[in-house]
Amino acid sequence: EAGVTQFPSHSVIEKGQTVTLRCDPISGHDNLYWYRRVMGKEIKFLLHFVKESKQDESGMPNNRFLAERTGGTYSTLKVQPAELEDSGVYFCASSPGWGLGTDTQYFGPGTRLTVL
Amino acid sequence: AQSVTQPDIHITVSEGASLELRCNYSYGATPYLFWYVQSPGQGLQLLLKYFSGDTLVQGIKGFEAEFKRSQSSFNLRKPSVHWSDAAEYFCAVGDNYGQNFVFGPGTRLSVLP
Repeated sequence: EAGVTQFPSHSVIEKGQTVTLRCDPISGHDNLYWYRRVMGKEIKFLLHFVKESKQDESGMPNNRFLAERTGGTYSTLKVQPAELEDSGVYFCASSPGWGLGTDTQYFGPGTRLTVL
Repeated sequence: AQSVTQPDIHITVSEGASLELRCNYSYGATPYLFWYVQSPGQGLQLLLKYFSGDTLVQGIKGFEAEFKRSQSSFNLRKPSVHWSDAAEYFCAVGDNYGQNFVFGPGTRLSVLP
């Protein structure tokens, strides 16, 4: 079974440009999460989809970030326009179901974003 | 709000030595606790998790962790470290739906030959 995949693995852009990160969850997983780790800091929650709906987006830093999950399959996270402080590693995770006490999040390898 | 601390930013051990990585949490309800490992160039891999039951949890790669409610701790242990264990280790706490994860800052483990 394929794991969570993320594309690209690395992205280097200039301040003011736009970048779109993609996450493909494990097939059949309803829950999809985005996290971010800024250099040297903790991994921070950004948002949570249940199927195509945003369940919790309390961690999104500002309106320059837009996440979508059309059709409840893959998700994209767009940063527009990118700022220097957006640099970091963006992780995606998925989990099987809603309300299961033993649900586990499976993480992708992350996308390293560098904003120059 | 929940929080997780990992007091050790960086630990170095010799191959074959025992290992203990510390994790303390603050959570208002029953915590669901996880340890993840990130090897260089890899994603976060789940080592083990605690939801309920036996407070000593066995995980992959020979790791175990013990939940101690009285100390709000969930320390990770391994009796004999291998060079391939060099990585960064993250402790996390979630709610009973396995959501609302809060991660600790991570502990980087170096292994000397």
